[in-house]
Amino acid sequence: TQLLEQSPQFLSIQEGENLTVYCNSSSVFSSLQWYRQEPGEGPVLLVTVVTGGEVKKLKRLTFQFGDARKDSSLHITAAQTGDTGLYLCAGADNYGQNFVFGPGTRLSVLP
Amino acid sequence: DTAVSQTPKYLVTQMGNDKSIKCEQNLGHDTMYWYKQDSKKFLKIMFSYNNKELIINETVPNRFSPKSPDKAHLNLHINSLELGDSAVYFCASSQDNGYFYGYTFGSGTRLTVV
Repeated sequence: TQLLEQSPQFLSIQEGENLTVYCNSSSVFSSLQWYRQEPGEGPVLLVTVVTGGEVKKLKRLTFQFGDARKDSSLHITAAQTGDTGLYLCAGADNYGQNFVFGPGTRLSVLP
Repeated sequence: DTAVSQTPKYLVTQMGNDKSIKCEQNLGHDTMYWYKQDSKKFLKIMFSYNNKELIINETVPNRFSPKSPDKAHLNLHINSLELGDSAVYFCASSQDNGYFYGYTFGSGTRLTVV
């Protein structure tokens, strides 16, 4: 069974600060996805990365897939209060035959 | 237009009752899922259906029975509800297995068993 770990579990920062959250596993994934979940809503897909070393940018968010495809990071530049939420990573093996979610990082951006 | 809609949003019921949660997607996706999110926010897959055919059936008590009348609908029926069934249940859909384009989730059904 593949497991994904996310760190930190909780993060509280001031608006305007930068932050990085991590997603790690001992297993290799075919693809890795990041989702953001706001209270009372379902997770919303932010990005999918499939190539080792791949970097994708989505406005102030930068996603990186590790060279060995076992880990990923999400960096947010100049955080805004609207970035507050639960950030979940999800990894797929065998090209999607098995999909597992990490426990999430709960981010609070304070005004 | 809501892409994945599930009803009801909230469900409070007594132990031993039977309840159903409905899910519909208008995205034209061929795969639908039920996930359970516990109090620690951990998302765990319960079932997956592809074109009305059961693909994934994780270790879930047989009190939980999914039903897919067509590829746009996946309902979840729960018999003899227990306190431990309290959680948020999410329906999701994807094109194929979601490997590249990911999942689209509904807004969840918060089930509270008292």
